[in-house]
Amino acid sequence: EVQLLESGGGLVQPGGSLRLSCAASAFTFSTYAMIWVRQAPGKGLEWVSAISARGDGTYYADSVKGRFSISRDNSKSSLYLQMNSLRAEDTAVYYCARLSTNSHSDYWGQGTLVTVSS
Amino acid sequence: QPVLTQSSSASGSLGSSVRLTCTLSSGHTTYSIAWHQQQPGKAPRSLMNLERNGIYNRGSGVPDRFSGSSSGADRYLTISNLQSEDEADYYCETWNTNTRVFGGGTKLTVL
Repeated sequence: EVQLLESGGGLVQPGGSLRLSCAASAFTFSTYAMIWVRQAPGKGLEWVSAISARGDGTYYADSVKGRFSISRDNSKSSLYLQMNSLRAEDTAVYYCARLSTNSHSDYWGQGTLVTVSS
Repeated sequence: QPVLTQSSSASGSLGSSVRLTCTLSSGHTTYSIAWHQQQPGKAPRSLMNLERNGIYNRGSGVPDRFSGSSSGADRYLTISNLQSEDEADYYCETWNTNTRVFGGGTKLTVL
């Protein structure tokens, strides 16, 4: 069964940095594009970033452009999200998800909570 | 970029059927979408992808009580024989080359 396991969340001060990881298993990671999606407390889902299967294409929501960076290591079946200049409004549960061959999110991780607060 | 519009809430009785709607914005009415379920306190789960012509593919392990259909800019999720575990938030998702958007979600209450 496809598994995605996020880690790296925690409490960070405004202006600080955090790196999230997503460990994938039970599928050929290097052949799938991946995304990060977040959910602020009590709110809906918000797409954050996407990366192509080979890592040569990256895309960002306007709300995080210039502050967040998505990357992947296909040799380790791992996806990353480097988050810099964090703001209170970045507080959310961050999910990684796999994109199917039809381009929709077909598997989700369990999420990791990021709290930005002083 | 596309915008997806969903009703904020819906309800149905145990054993009945309910249809949720996701409406694509003007200029994006041919887009495919996906439906996701998020039960309270859990991560989202993919239910299906749904094309403009009404063809849908359910995700792994999704019961056949869940079905999809399309009409113009509207994409529907129908849940038949409602169960208590169907009480959840339901989100639609669409995408293009450079972006991806989610609808605001519909909170389904099972009475």
